[in-house]
Amino acid sequence: SAVISQKPSRDICQRGTSLTIQCQVDSQVTMMFWYRQQPGQSLTLIATANQGSEATYESGFVIDKFPISRPNLTFSTLTVSNMSPEDSSIYLCSVDRGNAEAFFGQGTRLTVV
Amino acid sequence: DAKTTQPTSMDCAEGRAANLPCNHSTISGNEYVYWYRQIHSQGPQYIIHGLKNNETNEMASLIITEDRKSSTLILPHATLRDTAVYYCIAGGGGATNKLIFGTGTLLAVQP
Repeated sequence: SAVISQKPSRDICQRGTSLTIQCQVDSQVTMMFWYRQQPGQSLTLIATANQGSEATYESGFVIDKFPISRPNLTFSTLTVSNMSPEDSSIYLCSVDRGNAEAFFGQGTRLTVV
Repeated sequence: DAKTTQPTSMDCAEGRAANLPCNHSTISGNEYVYWYRQIHSQGPQYIIHGLKNNETNEMASLIITEDRKSSTLILPHATLRDTAVYYCIAGGGGATNKLIFGTGTLLAVQP
C-alpha cells in the first residue's frame, strides 16, 4: 500500500486568495493525480502530474487556475488560485503504483467565503 | 474511458450478500473494470478489478459477463461498515492510469 499525506486537511479562505495543497507519498511514484469533489458529487479529475514535465489538465481545468508542481517522485502541490465560493470542494490527490490499485489521500476540505 | 451506469442507491440487510450492478456497454477490449468505494469523509478505497475473468479477493467478488458489457460486485456478508458509495470504473489498460469516476451507488446496509 501507499501512505499519502495531504496538508492542510481543511481550510476556510477568503475569496480572491489562493491556497496551496500539499501531497506527500511515502514512496516514489511515477504518476500523481489531483481530483475535486464538489459537495454531494462524485470525483472529477483535474490533472495528472508527472515528475519533470508539465501537468496534463482535463477538459474544463486550466493551469492558471490550478497550477501544479511536481518537484520529485514523492511530492506534489496543487494551488487553487483566485478562489471563489464555487471552488469550495474536497481536493484529493491520488497515486498509481502501477499495479492497477490507486491510493487516495484523505482530502483537503476547502471552504471559500 | 468507457462510461458506466450504476443505480443511484441500494439497500442491503446486514449479514446478507450485497450485489451491486454496473453497466459498461461501450467498454473496449483492453479496458479493465475497477471498483472503488468511498466511505463518508474519506478518500476512495480500491476494492477489486478485472478484465474478463471473474475475480475474488478478501473484500469482494467481481462477476463480469461474457460480453463484458456489465459486471456485478458482490460483498458476500455485508456489515454496517460497508455502507458507502461504490464506484464502478471502466478504463486503464493494465495499469490504473487515470480514473474517471461516475456517479456511483450509495449502498446502505441496514441492521
